[in-house]
Amino acid sequence: SAVISQKPSRDICQRGTSLTIQCQVDSQVTMMFWYRQQPGQSLTLIATANQGSEATYESGFVIDKFPISRPNLTFSTLTVSNLSPEDSSIYLCSVEAASNEKLFFGSGTQLSVL
Amino acid sequence: GESVGLHLPTLSVQEGDNSIINCAYSNSASDYFIWYKQESGKGPQFIIDIRSNMDKRQGQRVTVLLNKTVKHLSLQIAATQPGDSAVYFCAERRGYSTLTFGKGTMLLVSP
Repeated sequence: SAVISQKPSRDICQRGTSLTIQCQVDSQVTMMFWYRQQPGQSLTLIATANQGSEATYESGFVIDKFPISRPNLTFSTLTVSNLSPEDSSIYLCSVEAASNEKLFFGSGTQLSVL
Repeated sequence: GESVGLHLPTLSVQEGDNSIINCAYSNSASDYFIWYKQESGKGPQFIIDIRSNMDKRQGQRVTVLLNKTVKHLSLQIAATQPGDSAVYFCAERRGYSTLTFGKGTMLLVSP
C-alpha cells in the first residue's frame, strides 16, 4: 500500500484568501485524485491530477477555483481559491493502487473558512 | 446518473455482536465494489473489495456479499469491537471509470 502524506492537516482561513494543500506519496503513481468531503457527507471527486498535463475536472469543479499541480509522479497540490464559507470541507488526496483498483487516501485537510 | 446509496444512516450495536451494513447500487454495469472505513479526523481506510464475478469475499472479521440480481452490497463485521466505530462507505466503479461513493453509515459500538 502507498503511504500518503498530506498537509496541512487543518487550517482556518479568511474569506477571499486561498489555501494550497500538498500531497506527497512514497512511491511513483500514475493516478492521483483530489476529493472533497463536506460536513457529514460522502466523498465527491474534484479532479484527477495528471502528470505532465492539465488536471481533468469533474462536473461542477473548475480550474480557476481549484487549480492543481502535478510536477512529478509522487507529488501534487490542490489550491482552493477565493475562499468562502461554503468551501469549508475536508479535502482528500488519493492514489490508485493499480489500474482499476482500490484507492488509498491521505489523512485529509480540514479547511474552515471564516 | 448512476448512484450508490445506503439503507441505514446509523447502526448501533453491542460489542461482540455481528454488524451488517448495507448498500444499494443502481448501475448494473458496475463491476468492482469497495468498502471503506473512516474514523473521525482520518481519511478513508480500505477494508475489502469484490469484483462482480464473485458473490462473497472474506477478510479478517469482515465479509462482503454481492447480490447482483437486486444490486445490493453488504459488509458483515463479526464480533464487533469498539474500535470498529466509524463511518463506513461503499464505493463502486464501472470499468476504468472513477470511483463513486455512497452516502455512508455511522456504526456505533457500545461496550
